[in-house]
Amino acid sequence: QVHLVESGGGVVQPGGSLRLSCAASGFPFSDFGMFWVRQAPGKGLEWMTFIRFDGSFEDYADAVKGRFTVTRDNSKNTLYLHMKSLGAEDTAVYYCARCLDGKSGYGSTPFDHWGQGILVTVST
Amino acid sequence: DIVMTQSPDSLAVSLGETATINCKSSQRVVYGSTTENFLGWYQQKPGQPPKLLFYWASTRESGVPDRFSASGAGTDFTLTISSLQAEDVAIYYCQQYYNTPYTFGQGTKLEIK
Repeated sequence: QVHLVESGGGVVQPGGSLRLSCAASGFPFSDFGMFWVRQAPGKGLEWMTFIRFDGSFEDYADAVKGRFTVTRDNSKNTLYLHMKSLGAEDTAVYYCARCLDGKSGYGSTPFDHWGQGILVTVST
Repeated sequence: DIVMTQSPDSLAVSLGETATINCKSSQRVVYGSTTENFLGWYQQKPGQPPKLLFYWASTRESGVPDRFSASGAGTDFTLTISSLQAEDVAIYYCQQYYNTPYTFGQGTKLEIK
Protein backbone atom coordinates (compact mmCIF):
# COMPACT_ATOMS: atom_id res chain seq x y z
CA GLN A 1 0.00 0.00 0.00
CA VAL A 2 1.45 3.33 -1.08
CA HIS A 3 2.07 5.64 1.84
CA LEU A 4 3.43 9.18 1.72
CA VAL A 5 3.95 11.15 4.92
CA GLU A 6 5.03 14.77 4.93
CA SER A 7 6.81 16.39 7.87
CA GLY A 8 8.79 19.51 8.72
CA GLY A 9 6.06 22.09 8.45
CA GLY A 10 5.28 24.81 10.94
CA VAL A 11 5.46 28.54 11.45
CA VAL A 12 8.36 30.44 9.94
CA GLN A 13 9.08 34.13 9.80
CA PRO A 14 9.07 36.02 6.50
CA GLY A 15 12.43 35.62 4.82
CA GLY A 16 13.07 32.38 6.65
CA SER A 17 13.81 28.87 5.48
CA LEU A 18 12.28 25.46 6.02
CA ARG A 19 12.85 21.93 4.82
CA LEU A 20 9.94 19.59 4.22
CA SER A 21 10.32 15.84 4.04
CA CYS A 22 8.11 13.21 2.47
CA ALA A 23 8.70 9.65 3.66
CA ALA A 24 7.57 7.07 1.14
CA SER A 25 6.70 3.42 1.70
CA GLY A 26 4.80 0.60 0.05
CA PHE A 27 6.38 0.99 -3.38
CA PRO A 28 9.86 1.09 -4.98
CA PHE A 29 10.54 4.77 -4.34
CA SER A 30 13.61 4.86 -6.59
CA ASP A 31 11.43 3.90 -9.57
CA PHE A 32 9.05 6.84 -9.31
CA GLY A 33 9.24 10.52 -10.09
CA MET A 34 7.69 12.75 -7.46
CA PHE A 35 5.94 16.10 -7.19
CA TRP A 36 5.29 18.79 -4.63
CA VAL A 37 1.93 20.56 -4.82
CA ARG A 38 0.61 23.23 -2.50
CA GLN A 39 -2.78 24.57 -1.54
CA ALA A 40 -3.19 27.95 0.13
CA PRO A 41 -5.94 28.09 2.78
CA GLY A 42 -9.32 27.90 1.06
CA LYS A 43 -7.72 27.99 -2.39
CA GLY A 44 -7.02 25.62 -5.24
CA LEU A 45 -4.10 23.38 -6.09
CA GLU A 46 -0.78 24.69 -7.35
CA TRP A 47 1.95 22.46 -8.79
CA MET A 48 5.38 23.41 -7.39
CA THR A 49 8.01 21.01 -8.59
CA PHE A 50 8.89 17.66 -10.15
CA ILE A 51 11.94 15.46 -9.65
CA ARG A 52 12.77 12.50 -11.85
CA PHE A 53 12.94 9.04 -10.29
CA ASP A 54 16.75 9.10 -10.22
CA GLY A 55 17.08 12.76 -9.27
CA SER A 56 18.68 13.65 -12.60
CA PHE A 57 16.06 16.22 -13.60
CA GLU A 58 14.04 18.83 -11.72
CA ASP A 59 11.45 21.33 -12.80
CA TYR A 60 9.88 24.24 -10.93
CA ALA A 61 6.97 26.61 -11.11
CA ASP A 62 8.04 30.19 -11.72
CA ALA A 63 6.63 31.22 -8.33
CA VAL A 64 9.28 29.17 -6.51
CA LYS A 65 12.14 28.92 -8.99
CA GLY A 66 15.36 30.03 -7.34
CA ARG A 67 13.85 29.83 -3.85
CA PHE A 68 12.78 26.20 -3.57
CA THR A 69 14.89 23.13 -4.30
CA VAL A 70 13.61 19.58 -4.56
CA THR A 71 15.91 16.70 -3.73
CA ARG A 72 15.53 13.04 -2.94
CA ASP A 73 17.45 10.36 -1.11
CA ASN A 74 16.51 7.05 -2.67
CA SER A 75 18.48 5.16 -0.02
CA LYS A 76 16.15 6.63 2.60
CA ASN A 77 12.97 6.57 0.49
CA THR A 78 12.57 10.25 1.20
CA LEU A 79 11.72 13.32 -0.85
CA TYR A 80 12.64 16.81 0.31
CA LEU A 81 11.63 20.37 -0.42
CA HIS A 82 14.12 23.00 0.65
CA MET A 83 12.42 26.39 0.89
CA LYS A 84 14.08 29.77 1.43
CA SER A 85 13.16 33.45 1.26
CA LEU A 86 9.66 32.53 2.35
CA GLY A 87 6.87 35.05 2.12
CA ALA A 88 3.25 35.20 3.21
CA GLU A 89 2.24 33.96 -0.23
CA ASP A 90 3.97 30.64 0.53
CA THR A 91 1.55 29.90 3.38
CA ALA A 92 -0.16 26.68 2.33
CA VAL A 93 -0.59 22.99 2.86
CA TYR A 94 2.19 21.25 0.99
CA TYR A 95 1.56 17.82 -0.51
CA CYS A 96 4.00 15.36 -1.97
CA ALA A 97 2.56 13.22 -4.73
CA ARG A 98 3.75 10.30 -6.85
CA CYS A 99 3.92 10.02 -10.62
CA LEU A 100 1.50 7.44 -12.02
CA ASP A 101 4.14 6.71 -14.66
CA GLY A 102 7.12 6.29 -12.40
CA LYS A 103 9.83 6.50 -15.02
CA SER A 104 8.36 9.59 -16.69
CA GLY A 105 11.31 11.68 -17.77
CA TYR A 106 9.75 15.10 -17.32
CA GLY A 107 6.68 14.49 -15.16
CA SER A 108 3.98 14.55 -17.82
CA THR A 109 1.94 12.06 -15.87
CA PRO A 110 -0.96 12.23 -13.45
CA PHE A 111 -0.39 12.31 -9.71
CA ASP A 112 -1.72 9.00 -8.49
CA HIS A 113 -0.98 9.02 -4.76
CA TRP A 114 -0.80 11.97 -2.39
CA GLY A 115 0.36 12.46 1.16
CA GLN A 116 -1.94 13.97 3.75
CA GLY A 117 -0.15 17.30 3.48
CA ILE A 118 1.73 19.51 5.92
CA LEU A 119 0.92 23.10 6.79
CA VAL A 120 3.52 25.82 6.38
CA THR A 121 2.62 29.20 7.81
CA VAL A 122 4.77 32.21 7.06
CA SER A 123 4.05 34.85 9.65
CA THR A 124 5.60 37.09 12.26
CA ASP B 1 0.90 28.73 -19.06
CA ILE B 2 -2.15 26.63 -19.90
CA VAL B 3 -5.19 28.02 -18.13
CA MET B 4 -7.78 25.49 -17.00
CA THR B 5 -11.28 26.87 -16.51
CA GLN B 6 -13.99 24.84 -14.85
CA SER B 7 -17.71 25.44 -14.90
CA PRO B 8 -19.70 25.85 -12.85
CA ASP B 9 -17.79 27.01 -9.76
CA SER B 10 -20.35 25.21 -7.64
CA LEU B 11 -23.44 23.14 -8.09
CA ALA B 12 -26.05 21.48 -5.93
CA VAL B 13 -27.60 18.25 -7.13
CA SER B 14 -30.22 16.01 -5.55
CA LEU B 15 -29.29 12.55 -4.36
CA GLY B 16 -29.64 10.03 -7.17
CA GLU B 17 -29.44 12.69 -9.87
CA THR B 18 -26.57 13.50 -12.24
CA ALA B 19 -23.88 16.12 -11.81
CA THR B 20 -21.88 17.42 -14.76
CA ILE B 21 -18.67 19.42 -14.47
CA ASN B 22 -16.94 20.99 -17.43
CA CYS B 23 -13.29 21.86 -17.92
CA LYS B 24 -11.79 23.89 -20.72
CA SER B 25 -8.09 24.28 -21.40
CA SER B 26 -6.65 27.40 -23.03
CA GLN B 27 -4.81 25.21 -25.53
CA ARG B 28 -4.97 21.64 -26.71
CA VAL B 29 -3.45 19.12 -24.31
CA VAL B 30 -2.78 16.39 -26.83
CA TYR B 31 0.29 15.80 -28.97
CA GLY B 32 -0.08 15.76 -32.74
CA SER B 33 -1.94 12.76 -34.06
CA THR B 34 -2.01 10.88 -30.78
CA THR B 35 -5.28 10.32 -28.92
CA GLU B 36 -3.95 10.70 -25.41
CA ASN B 37 -5.18 13.89 -23.83
CA PHE B 38 -3.00 14.90 -20.89
CA LEU B 39 -5.96 15.64 -18.65
CA GLY B 40 -6.82 14.32 -15.22
CA TRP B 41 -9.66 14.72 -12.74
CA TYR B 42 -9.27 14.78 -8.98
CA GLN B 43 -11.70 14.69 -6.08
CA GLN B 44 -10.90 16.45 -2.83
CA LYS B 45 -13.07 15.92 0.21
CA PRO B 46 -12.82 18.31 3.17
CA GLY B 47 -9.64 17.85 5.15
CA GLN B 48 -8.27 15.27 2.73
CA PRO B 49 -5.70 15.29 -0.06
CA PRO B 50 -6.86 15.12 -3.65
CA LYS B 51 -7.63 11.73 -5.08
CA LEU B 52 -7.04 10.84 -8.71
CA LEU B 53 -10.27 9.82 -10.45
CA PHE B 54 -9.40 9.83 -14.15
CA TYR B 55 -6.37 10.31 -16.35
CA TRP B 56 -5.80 10.48 -20.10
CA ALA B 57 -9.16 12.30 -19.99
CA SER B 58 -11.26 9.18 -19.62
CA THR B 59 -9.27 6.34 -18.02
CA ARG B 60 -10.83 5.52 -14.66
CA GLU B 61 -8.41 5.02 -11.79
CA SER B 62 -8.67 1.71 -9.99
CA GLY B 63 -11.37 1.68 -7.33
CA VAL B 64 -13.36 4.63 -8.69
CA PRO B 65 -17.07 3.72 -8.90
CA ASP B 66 -18.45 3.40 -12.39
CA ARG B 67 -21.09 6.03 -11.69
CA PHE B 68 -18.19 8.40 -12.35
CA SER B 69 -17.36 8.92 -16.02
CA ALA B 70 -15.18 11.33 -17.92
CA SER B 71 -14.90 12.34 -21.53
CA GLY B 72 -13.58 14.96 -23.87
CA ALA B 73 -10.65 15.76 -26.11
CA GLY B 74 -8.59 18.68 -27.31
CA THR B 75 -9.65 21.56 -25.10
CA ASP B 76 -13.05 20.51 -23.74
CA PHE B 77 -13.57 17.90 -21.08
CA THR B 78 -16.41 16.68 -18.87
CA LEU B 79 -16.74 14.81 -15.60
CA THR B 80 -20.11 13.21 -15.00
CA ILE B 81 -21.33 11.73 -11.74
CA SER B 82 -24.55 9.80 -12.06
CA SER B 83 -26.74 8.47 -9.23
CA LEU B 84 -25.21 11.05 -6.90
CA GLN B 85 -24.38 9.77 -3.43
CA ALA B 86 -23.86 11.78 -0.25
CA GLU B 87 -20.22 10.66 -0.23
CA ASP B 88 -19.63 12.44 -3.54
CA VAL B 89 -19.73 15.84 -1.85
CA ALA B 90 -16.33 17.29 -2.62
CA ILE B 91 -14.42 19.77 -4.71
CA TYR B 92 -13.49 18.43 -8.14
CA TYR B 93 -10.45 19.64 -10.07
CA CYS B 94 -9.31 19.08 -13.59
CA GLN B 95 -5.58 19.25 -14.34
CA GLN B 96 -3.42 19.30 -17.41
CA TYR B 97 -0.11 17.46 -17.27
CA TYR B 98 0.80 18.27 -20.86
CA ASN B 99 3.17 21.14 -20.12
CA THR B 100 4.72 22.66 -17.05
CA PRO B 101 3.51 24.35 -15.04
CA TYR B 102 1.00 21.54 -14.57
CA THR B 103 -2.07 23.63 -13.93
CA PHE B 104 -5.34 22.85 -12.22
CA GLY B 105 -8.77 24.28 -12.74
CA GLN B 106 -10.13 26.50 -9.98
CA GLY B 107 -12.28 23.66 -8.68
CA THR B 108 -15.99 22.91 -8.70
CA LYS B 109 -17.71 22.49 -5.37
CA LEU B 110 -20.38 19.79 -5.48
CA GLU B 111 -23.08 19.81 -2.83
CA ILE B 112 -26.30 17.95 -2.21
CA LYS B 113 -29.51 19.84 -2.91
